[in-house]
Amino acid sequence: DGGITQSPKYLFRKEGQNVTLSCEQNLNHDAMYWYRQDPGQGLRLIYYSQIVNDFQKGDIAEGYSVSREKKESFPLTVTSAQKNPTAFYLCASSRAGEADTQYFGPGTRLTVL
Amino acid sequence: AQSVTQLDSQVPVFEEAPVELRCNYSSSVSVYLFWYVQYPNQGLQLLLKYLSGSTLVKGINGFEAEFNKSQTSFHLRKPSVHISDTAEYFCAVTLNRDGKIIFGKGTRLHILP
Repeated sequence: DGGITQSPKYLFRKEGQNVTLSCEQNLNHDAMYWYRQDPGQGLRLIYYSQIVNDFQKGDIAEGYSVSREKKESFPLTVTSAQKNPTAFYLCASSRAGEADTQYFGPGTRLTVL
Repeated sequence: AQSVTQLDSQVPVFEEAPVELRCNYSSSVSVYLFWYVQYPNQGLQLLLKYLSGSTLVKGINGFEAEFNKSQTSFHLRKPSVHISDTAEYFCAVTLNRDGKIIFGKGTRLHILP
C-alpha cells in the first residue's frame, strides 16, 4: 500500500533532549512538509522540501531542524532550543506543482516532560 | 498576505440534519481554496478543492462547498450528516499550486444522536 508513515505514534522525552521524528513516504512525491498542530491553532508549517537536498523554513522553524537526503524520507529534529515542543506533529507529501493536494501521515504526539 | 478565518470553533448538529461550516478568506489576488478533514487521532485528508471553473465544488462523503468571490467565502455544506462525520474540518488557501498552504484554525463538528 502506498502512503506516509510516521513513527512513533507517541513519544515522550525529557526537557533539554533533542528528539527526531520519522517520516517516510512511498508515493514517489517530490515535496514533503512538516506541520505542528496545537489545540485551537490549526496547522502551522515548520519546514518543507520541494526536492531532495533542499528545504525551506516555514512559519515556525525556530528550534527545529530537518534533512532531505532521500526522496522518501524527511526526518524532523526537535531541538532543546524549541521552547514549547509538546504538540502533535504531522508530516505530508505532494507531487511537484500540486502543493494544494497533500497526503498526510497519521501524526506523532510528542510530550516533553 | 493571504489568510483564512473559520468562524466557528465548534458546531453541534443532530444526526441527519444539514450542516454548514463557514470559511472566509482574505487575499488581494486569486486564490485556490480547500477543505480538509481530520478524524480523531489521524492525519488530514482532502475533502474537496476549488481551483477554477464552477463555483460549486463536490467532494467526498457527500460534502460540497461554494466559492463566493464577492463575499470571499468558501463555506462547506452537507445536506444530512452522519455520526461518522464527527471530525475536525480545516479550510485552507494558497496563492499558487506550488506554494505554501495556509490553514484555518479548524471547526470541530459534533454529531448529536
